[in-house]
Amino acid sequence: EIVMTQSPATLSVSPGERATLSCRASQSVSSNLAWYQQKPGQAPRLLIYGASTRATGIPARFSGSGSGTEFTLTISSLQSEDFAVYYCQQYNNWPQWTFGQGTKVEIK
Amino acid sequence: EVQLVESGGGLVQPGGSLRLSCAASGFTFSSYEMNWVRQAPGKGLEWVSYISSSGSTIYYADSVKGRFTISRDNAKNSLYLQMNSLRAEDTAVYYCAKTPLGWDYFDYWGQGTLVTVSS
Repeated sequence: EIVMTQSPATLSVSPGERATLSCRASQSVSSNLAWYQQKPGQAPRLLIYGASTRATGIPARFSGSGSGTEFTLTISSLQSEDFAVYYCQQYNNWPQWTFGQGTKVEIK
Repeated sequence: EVQLVESGGGLVQPGGSLRLSCAASGFTFSSYEMNWVRQAPGKGLEWVSYISSSGSTIYYADSVKGRFTISRDNAKNSLYLQMNSLRAEDTAVYYCAKTPLGWDYFDYWGQGTLVTVSS
């Protein structure tokens, strides 16, 4: 099983600031990585796939980068609606998909 | 508009059974692979099961293998999860999630249905 480790567990950021979230895979997943946003009481929403491609309707302030074992989700200027939990997911090791434990982005 | 609506959750005793359903609309259901993903209260996401578009290929997470059965009815645009021998650790919100053609991530999710296993 590929273990996905996200850091930090909690990120305190002021509105308008930049947020950088990390995701590390226990072995290479190439670029087969997705990011999801989840708000309380809601289902996850796809933000990024292929490590760096924004999903339909996702604002340009969200960007993804990385390949192999190290990945980053950057939110360039945090808006109030961006405070949420973010999960990374590898889909390279088919069909044993695994998620990171999540990073909570909270208001500073 | 793609819509996935889960139902069938509830309170069940340990060792009991439950059948979840997911009604799909807004896309050609029979063309897409589908999955179940769960989230224990206050915890992260865990992939549970996968089914191919025709239903001929099925996979399960080790944690549910032998106890859960995924199926689909393409004529009814519906996905199912039969859960037997339920344990306390199966308590979670269960989401059905669609996979886009040619990819393996999850592009649309239902709102989830809560399964609580407790005596």
